[in-house]
Order: sequence, then C-alpha cells, then structure tokens
Amino acid sequence: DTGVSQDPRHKITKRGQNVTFRCDPISEHNRLYWYRQTLGQGPEFLTYFQNEAQLEKSRLLSDRFSAERPKGSFSTLEIQRTEQGDSAMYLCASSLGAVAGGPETQYFGPGTRLLVL
Amino acid sequence: LAKTTQPISMDSYEGQEVNITCSHNNIATNDYITWYQQFPSQGPRFIIQGYKTKVTNEVASLFIPADRKSSTLSLPRVSLSDTAVYYCLVGGFKTIFGAGTRLFVKA
Repeated sequence: DTGVSQDPRHKITKRGQNVTFRCDPISEHNRLYWYRQTLGQGPEFLTYFQNEAQLEKSRLLSDRFSAERPKGSFSTLEIQRTEQGDSAMYLCASSLGAVAGGPETQYFGPGTRLLVL
Repeated sequence: LAKTTQPISMDSYEGQEVNITCSHNNIATNDYITWYQQFPSQGPRFIIQGYKTKVTNEVASLFIPADRKSSTLSLPRVSLSDTAVYYCLVGGFKTIFGAGTRLFVKA
C-alpha cells in the first residue's frame, strides 16, 4: 500500500504526559499537512510543510504542539503536557504541490485517535 | 479562503441518486472545488475535483454552473456503504473543512 500511513492508530495517555505521532506521506509528495478532528466536526488545519520547511501554523497549534519533517520525508507531531482537551483524531495528509493556479489534492492517512485521561 | 455551506444531513434509499449541493459565493478565480468522503474513524477520502462545468469519474459526478458560486456532487444509485460524511472544499492547498453533509442511506 503506497498511501499515507500514520502510527500509532490509537493512543491513550494520562494528562500531563507527552505523546508523539508519526506520519509517512506518499513518497513523491512534497507537501505534508496535520489536522485535528473532534467528534462531529470537520478536520481543522494545524500546520503544513513544504519539503522540510514548516510554512504555516494555525493559531490552534499551542506552544505544547510541535511538528517536524526532517529531510522532507516522514513527519512527527508531538504534544507535550497533554490535556483532556487534546483528545481528538489527528490526521495527516500529503499532496504534490501544484503549479500556480493548478489543482491540488490532499490524500489523508487513517488518523491517530488520542484519548487523554 | 472561500467558505462553503452544505446541508447538515440528508437521507436517501438504496438505489436512488443523491445530489448534495454546496454554496461557495466567494470562490476565487483560481480555486478548484474538491469533494471528500469520510467514514467513521477513517481519514477523508478524495472523491472528485473540478473547476467548471461537469466532471465525472467512476464514483461520482460534479456539476459546476457558469458562475461557480455553487457545485453539486451527484452519487448515482447509492448503496448502504455510501453512508458517510461528505465535505465540499474550495481553494488551493490551504483549505477549510466545514462540518460536511451527513448522508444516511437506508435499505
């Protein structure tokens, strides 16, 4: 399967603990995105990378959140000092950056479901 | 970034054609329209994308009028497995997901 993969698929942690999620994008895709989705809502944009550069971060991404994409391949999203409000599905997507004015399609992974107790 | 408006939910029966309309009044000239499908506990799955007129693939059709201020996703002969949330997105790579349309297909 050459789609976007995420690991782990599920994570249960206690409040105050740190967690790290991994995303492996489609190999030739240069853009990688992180979203957060809570029950009944659409995915909310958190941040995105163009190759290894993190180009934009949402205001939703507090100081406790950090994302990296070393070497422009896989990415990690770390949440420090987790809070119960961090409980959500964390989705990763990748795309092949379009030429100016062209269409771009994001392909999503299966997500990592986080539960903070 | 253009905002979209879709019905919150729709019901249908197996075998029927389902049309979900999305409004995007402030769509920009370069914006494409993309639809995704999402099942519970899964990531959104790309369905179809278009810029104007009509686009058809093996899964759905997308109708876009000349003013591009709306679009309609058409699912032919739905089955129970089409029960999902459908999202309409407008824009380039920085897109905003709304709450989507929850389609429930009944037997």
